[in-house]
Amino acid sequence: EIVLTQSPATLSLSPGERATLSCGASQSVSSSYLAWYQQKPGLAPRLLIYDASSRATGIPDRFSGSGSGTDFTLTISRLEPEDFAVYYCQQYGSSPRYTFGQGTKLEIK
Amino acid sequence: QVQLVQSGAEVKKPGASVKVSCKVSGYTLTELSMHWVRQAPGKGLEWMGGFDPEDGETIYAQKFQGRVTMTEDTSTDTAYMELSSLRSEDTAVYYCATSYCSSTSCYHDYWGQGTLVTVSS
Repeated sequence: EIVLTQSPATLSLSPGERATLSCGASQSVSSSYLAWYQQKPGLAPRLLIYDASSRATGIPDRFSGSGSGTDFTLTISRLEPEDFAVYYCQQYGSSPRYTFGQGTKLEIK
Repeated sequence: QVQLVQSGAEVKKPGASVKVSCKVSGYTLTELSMHWVRQAPGKGLEWMGGFDPEDGETIYAQKFQGRVTMTEDTSTDTAYMELSSLRSEDTAVYYCATSYCSSTSCYHDYWGQGTLVTVSS
């Protein structure tokens, strides 16, 4: 079973700053099967990035994803107030089908 | 546009079962692959299982094998997740989420609003 480890657990930044969130896999993951989600309090997760670097419909271009193998990154180029939330990476594999990282909380400094 | 509307919050006693529903609109259930994900209070997301179109069957995370049953009623476009032998650790928000797979990627593209299941004596 592939384990996804996200870092940092909490990231404190100010609006306008650049955010870099990491997702490390215990084994190599096909880039096609790596996705990122954003979750705000009391709401369901929202798909941000799929195929490691493709933005989902309606996602602003300040969000970008990159990486391959065991190291993946979600970058938010210039933080807006609405970007402060929890972010999860997810991979699709054989068993279990889907695995999530434990999440990174992006909070206002 | 797919919309997923889940049933309301439930309070159950330890040892009981709970059945959560997820009503689809905008598409028919047969056009979708429905999965279930849960989130304990203050914790992360945990995939429980769902329909695998490659195998044509429902697959479950090993952790829930024998305790969870996911079914579909295509006449009403409603998916169900039943979890039995509930314990306090099952207290969580349960989400239905569609799983979209192309030849090159798989991800959850649409989510229900979540159903809080509280297990308490």
